[in-house]
Amino acid sequence: NAGVTQTPKFRILKIGQSMTLQCTQDMNHNYMYWYRQDPGMGLKLIYYSVGAGITDKGEVPNGYNVSRSTTEDFPLRLELAAPSQTSVYFCASSLTGDRADQPQHFGDGTRLSIL
Amino acid sequence: QKEVEQNSGPLSVPEGAIASLNCTYSDRGSQSFFWYRQYSGKSPELIMFIYSNGDKEDGRFTAQLNKASQYVSLLIRDSQPSDSATYLCAVIREGSSNTGKLIFGQGTTLQVKP
Repeated sequence: NAGVTQTPKFRILKIGQSMTLQCTQDMNHNYMYWYRQDPGMGLKLIYYSVGAGITDKGEVPNGYNVSRSTTEDFPLRLELAAPSQTSVYFCASSLTGDRADQPQHFGDGTRLSIL
Repeated sequence: QKEVEQNSGPLSVPEGAIASLNCTYSDRGSQSFFWYRQYSGKSPELIMFIYSNGDKEDGRFTAQLNKASQYVSLLIRDSQPSDSATYLCAVIREGSSNTGKLIFGQGTTLQVKP
């Protein structure tokens, strides 16, 4: 059971480059989330999705875009990479949004550096 | 004021002692409260959740919630070196329960010394 899979695990980008962080889950979860975690800080929500075709902004969406064409996949797109986007990115999924006993499952993260 | 606040630590306790981790939140309508453990370089993993006032126990872990004081805590009894990690407090705001959006604190680093 793979759970939530993120690729790549590490990446170095130059300022102004673009890239897509991939996230896929095999648990048939409706809800998916993208977070970023800066050093010594908690996680901040970038975007989330409550089902295929439905996405919405979180706390820190500027500079990012998402799509959700299937239940399994929720890619995060950086269009013009900036040094402020250097961070660890976590994707998470959950079966529902409103039950504390159906928690979010996290992927292993993507460590991204913008130079 | 941050929406979810934790003392970043580090909190250092000897092996076998009780570790007490604290979290306050600003949105009085917050409904669900979570404690995640994060080892260095790893992803967060859920260890406890609580949504009713009072205590909830699971093995060596006890979560305590006081909604009137807007305060949630995590007690770890018989602390072990393997408990050394960063503990993240997270809440779901009032009105966000149908989306599951979590608001995280900055985390408290716990060091358990043998």
